[in-house]
Amino acid sequence: KNEVEQSPQNLTAQEGEFITINCSYSVGISALHWLQQHPGGGIVSLFMLSSGKKKHGRLIATINIQEKHSSLHITASHPRDSAVYICAVTSGGGADGLTFGKGTHLIIQP
Amino acid sequence: NAGVTQTPKFRILKIGQSMTLQCAQDMNHNYMYWYRQDPGMGLKLIYYSVGAGITDKGEVPNGYNVSRSTTEDFPLRLELAAPSQTSVYFCASNKGPTGAYEQYFGPGTRLTVT
Repeated sequence: KNEVEQSPQNLTAQEGEFITINCSYSVGISALHWLQQHPGGGIVSLFMLSSGKKKHGRLIATINIQEKHSSLHITASHPRDSAVYICAVTSGGGADGLTFGKGTHLIIQP
Repeated sequence: NAGVTQTPKFRILKIGQSMTLQCAQDMNHNYMYWYRQDPGMGLKLIYYSVGAGITDKGEVPNGYNVSRSTTEDFPLRLELAAPSQTSVYFCASNKGPTGAYEQYFGPGTRLTVT
């Protein structure tokens, strides 16, 4: 069973700062997902990646398959980026579905 | 497209009661999933389906049942509700396996069992 660890658990930063959230997992995967959950609960997919790097606006996600590690970066952070960011990996072992980290609670102060 | 819809949004059940959480998607996705989210914990997979008529257990299936008679609908049944089933339940769907496709989530159902 894959174990997914995220750090930090909580992060408070000032508007404009560069944000990094880390994710590590224990067993090889076919894909890693980054998700965003806003207060009120809705979950939105940000990225799905299996190698290298992806960029969408001010968000960048990278993955190192050999080191079993991924990072999510936010450039020029804004209060509207305040949310819980969740890392998830394919469950594997013949089953489909995702195995999730506990999430990183990000607050961006004006 | 409405995407993934779930009903109800909130529900309070008494211990021992039963209920069905509804989930529907209009994206013609074959793969559908049920997760539960407990405070301070990551989401956990309850059941999933790779197509109509095909379902399989996830990590935490005890106390739940599912069926998949159509591509669109994937209801989750709770029999004999217990306080341990108090949680937020999310339904999700993909075009294909999670190793190759992003997931689309419903808005969630907040269930309290007292």
